[in-house]
Amino acid sequence: EIVLTQSPATLSLSPGERATLSCRASQSVSSYLAWYQQKPGQAPRLLIYDASNRATGVPARFSGSGSGTDFTLTISSLEPEDFAVYYCQQRSDWPPLTFGGGTKVEIK
Amino acid sequence: EVQLVETGGGLIQPGGSLRLSCAASGFTVSSNYMTWVRQAPGKGPEWVSLIYSDGTTDYADSVKGRFTISRDNSKNTLYLQMNSLRAEDTAVYYCARGYCSGETCYVAWFGPWGQGTLVTVSS
Repeated sequence: EIVLTQSPATLSLSPGERATLSCRASQSVSSYLAWYQQKPGQAPRLLIYDASNRATGVPARFSGSGSGTDFTLTISSLEPEDFAVYYCQQRSDWPPLTFGGGTKVEIK
Repeated sequence: EVQLVETGGGLIQPGGSLRLSCAASGFTVSSNYMTWVRQAPGKGPEWVSLIYSDGTTDYADSVKGRFTISRDNSKNTLYLQMNSLRAEDTAVYYCARGYCSGETCYVAWFGPWGQGTLVTVSS
């Protein structure tokens, strides 16, 4: 089973700042990695798939990069609605499909 | 508009059974990849099961032999039959469709999702 480790666990930033979130895989997942955003009481929402492709309707301030074992989600300038928990997920070697433990982006 | 609505959650004793439903609108369940993902309180999501458009199914090891994914094409509804429930099955259960971008649909990227239904296994 591929384990995804996200860091940091919590990121404290102010609106307008740049957010950089990391996801590391226990073995190569090529580019088969996605990022989801989850707000309290809501289901996850797909943001990025295949490491760097934005899902429909996702603002351009969200970008994904990386391949192999190291991936990054960047939010170029945080908007108030971006404060949430972010999860990565792999589909390289499955079943099982696996998710990371999450990074909470909170208001500083 | 594409929409997924889960029902069927509740409080159930260990060893009991429950069937979750996911009613879809705006698309055809049988023509898409459909999945169940669960999320225990305060934890990250955990993939549970998936059904392909051809009816093939996959399961996480933690539920294999206890849970069954199925669909009713006439009702455009996805199901998850859960038997021999354990305390560790307590979670919010979400159904989701494989994400589609234009003509391309991905079996293992998920969106949209339903709002979830809470299953609590406790005596």
